[in-house]
Amino acid sequence: GAVVSQHPSRVICKSGTSVKIECRSLDFQATTMFWYRQFPKQSLMLMATSNEGSKATYEQGVEKDKFLINHASLTLSTLTVTSAHPEDSSFYICSASGGTYEQYFGPGTRLTVT
Amino acid sequence: RKEVEQDPGPFNVPEGATVAFNCTYSNSASQSFFWYRQDCRKEPKLLMSVYSSGNEDGRFTAQLNRASQYISLLIRDSKLSDSATYLCVVLTGTYKYIFGTGTRLKVLA
Repeated sequence: GAVVSQHPSRVICKSGTSVKIECRSLDFQATTMFWYRQFPKQSLMLMATSNEGSKATYEQGVEKDKFLINHASLTLSTLTVTSAHPEDSSFYICSASGGTYEQYFGPGTRLTVT
Repeated sequence: RKEVEQDPGPFNVPEGATVAFNCTYSNSASQSFFWYRQDCRKEPKLLMSVYSSGNEDGRFTAQLNRASQYISLLIRDSKLSDSATYLCVVLTGTYKYIFGTGTRLKVLA
């Protein structure tokens, strides 16, 4: 149980384009989903927390207009990186929580912006 | 001071050894604690939640010391497959998870 999928697993895009990443909880309803970013050899950094049907709460320093988060249903959240730049290249990981305090992570999306 | 601190390691241990990691946290109001395992270029996977009474799962034992504000993870009879980065995660407030930077473990043949 507690499986979270993420798509795509890897994406390469050109600078200035937008990229959408999907996160799905496959076998449970995720009341809360989280988006993280991880640079090489660093810890996960929380970008935002989203509850189904409401606006995401962004961490300090994360631009809400650049990283658009939509949590339209209890099983799906999307992160759109708008006008991507090379410094946005990173490993983006979502996680989901279904009411307990345990989080389950998706397999991550490796974004490379050229 | 960081909210959650871990020794980054690496801890290099021979197969069969027992190894322990500690993680300290600064917020005394922290409510829940977890150990995750992360393999290189992969997502973190929940290893175990840490309860006040301590808990054990096979070769893994987790302890919580609220007075000293640390949690620990003990791995007995280390296997090569235990090589990974172990992340300490602390829940503080409503869904506010703080991650440690992780402790790297290498189990050597």
